[in-house]
Amino acid sequence: AQKITQTQPGMFVQEKEAVTLDCTYDTSDPSYGLFWYKQPSSGEMIFLIYQGSYDQQNATEGRYSLNFQKARKSANLVISASQLGDSAMYFCAMRVLNTGNQFYFGTGTSLTVIP
Amino acid sequence: ETGVTQSPTHLIKTRGQQVTLRCSSQSGHNTVSWYQQALGQGPQFIFQYYREEENGRGNFPPRFSGLQFPNYSSELNVNALELDDSALYLCASGILAKSSYNEQFFGPGTRLTVL
Repeated sequence: AQKITQTQPGMFVQEKEAVTLDCTYDTSDPSYGLFWYKQPSSGEMIFLIYQGSYDQQNATEGRYSLNFQKARKSANLVISASQLGDSAMYFCAMRVLNTGNQFYFGTGTSLTVIP
Repeated sequence: ETGVTQSPTHLIKTRGQQVTLRCSSQSGHNTVSWYQQALGQGPQFIFQYYREEENGRGNFPPRFSGLQFPNYSSELNVNALELDDSALYLCASGILAKSSYNEQFFGPGTRLTVL
């Protein structure tokens, strides 16, 4: 069975500081992709970053980086230099190649950036 | 802006009624997926359509059905509405991929309330 676990319901970070959002996953399939999405209060899911299971390097996209630890089955999102506009829900998701195109989502982490 | 639109934005129905939600995908995308996101939860996969045929289904009863049209539009139909169907319904379009990288572009969602 495929599963994504996000254990932090809510996080607070001071503006301009870095924050790490945790994500662990479970799959027995060797081919999978891990994604992070941001969901503001408007509801739309915004793609942030992707990491493939065979990628050797940790993914980075601007202020976002993904700390991929395959042996621990974790894919934590690091946001550097937090901005007020980063306040939103953050979802970790996984796509397993051999189970079709569905995404498995975690329950999300609500991030609040404090001025 | 992902180029994926959904209508209506909000909808209120009563138990037992039927509802149709609509999605307009990005041009060139050949898959559309529908997700149900209950309050405080991550999105749950309902089903995916590829080239106008169902291409995978999550753990949802048959009263959830869909259609995909050649003009990049699609519908989610829910019959015999139940109170637990109250949720944000997200559609996501993409291109069927054989690698684990398969970015899905999400619409803003339709918030359905069942009374």
